[in-house]
Amino acid sequence: DAKTTQPPSMDCAEGRAANLPCNHSTISGNEYVYWYRQIHSQGPQYIIHGLKNNETNEMASLIITEDRKSSTLILPHATLRDTAVYYCIVRAANFGNEKLTFGTGTRLTIIP
Amino acid sequence: KAGVTQTPRYLIKTRGQQVTLSCSPISGHRSVSWYQQTPGQGLQFLFEYFSETQRNKGNFPGRFSGRQFSNSRSEMNVSTLELGDSALYLCASSLITQGNEQFFGPGTRLTVL
Repeated sequence: DAKTTQPPSMDCAEGRAANLPCNHSTISGNEYVYWYRQIHSQGPQYIIHGLKNNETNEMASLIITEDRKSSTLILPHATLRDTAVYYCIVRAANFGNEKLTFGTGTRLTIIP
Repeated sequence: KAGVTQTPRYLIKTRGQQVTLSCSPISGHRSVSWYQQTPGQGLQFLFEYFSETQRNKGNFPGRFSGRQFSNSRSEMNVSTLELGDSALYLCASSLITQGNEQFFGPGTRLTVL
C-alpha cells in the first residue's frame, strides 16, 4: 500500500471548517483513500473513503485531486468533539486485503 | 445494529503469563482484524481472519496468535508475556466487499507488570 504524509498537528476554531491535508504521491490506480479518526483511548472510527471522485457523507467531505496524489478531509463545522488524531490511509481494494497501515496521523485540536 | 465488542476491557498480567482476548464482530461481518497500539510504535496490524482462516499476518513474533470461530467471533492469544506487550489491542470487523470500511471495537488495555 502507498505511503501517506500528514502534518503532525493542526488547530481549528470551533464552528469553522477544518481542512486536513494528506499527501499520497505514490498511490496506484486500484488504491482507495480512507480516513479514520481516533479520539483519545478509543478505537479508530471510520470517517469516509474514496477512489477518485469527491465524496461527502454526514460526517465529512473528501476532496481528491485529479492526479490522486493528495487529498483533503473537510469537517465543515468543527466542534470540540472533533478533537482527535486523524489518519489518512491508502489501501488497495483487492479482495482479501483488509490490512490498514496507519501512519502517525494529524492531531487536530478544536479551539473554543 | 450492535458494534464490535471486545472483552475484557482492561487486563493486568505479569511477565511470563499468557493472555486471551476476545472480539465479537458486527453481525454479518466475516472478517476480523487485530491491531496493537503502543505510544512508541503506533497502530500496527497483527493479523486478519476470514472464514476461520488466517488470511493476512503482520510482523509480530509467534507468541502472538489468534483464531476465529464459525460464528466469526475471534480470539487472540499472547504467550510468555513481556513488558513490551503492554498496549491497547484493537479488533476491527468488516464486510467482504471491495473498498469496504472497517469498524473498530473499543479495545482491550493490557498492562504487563
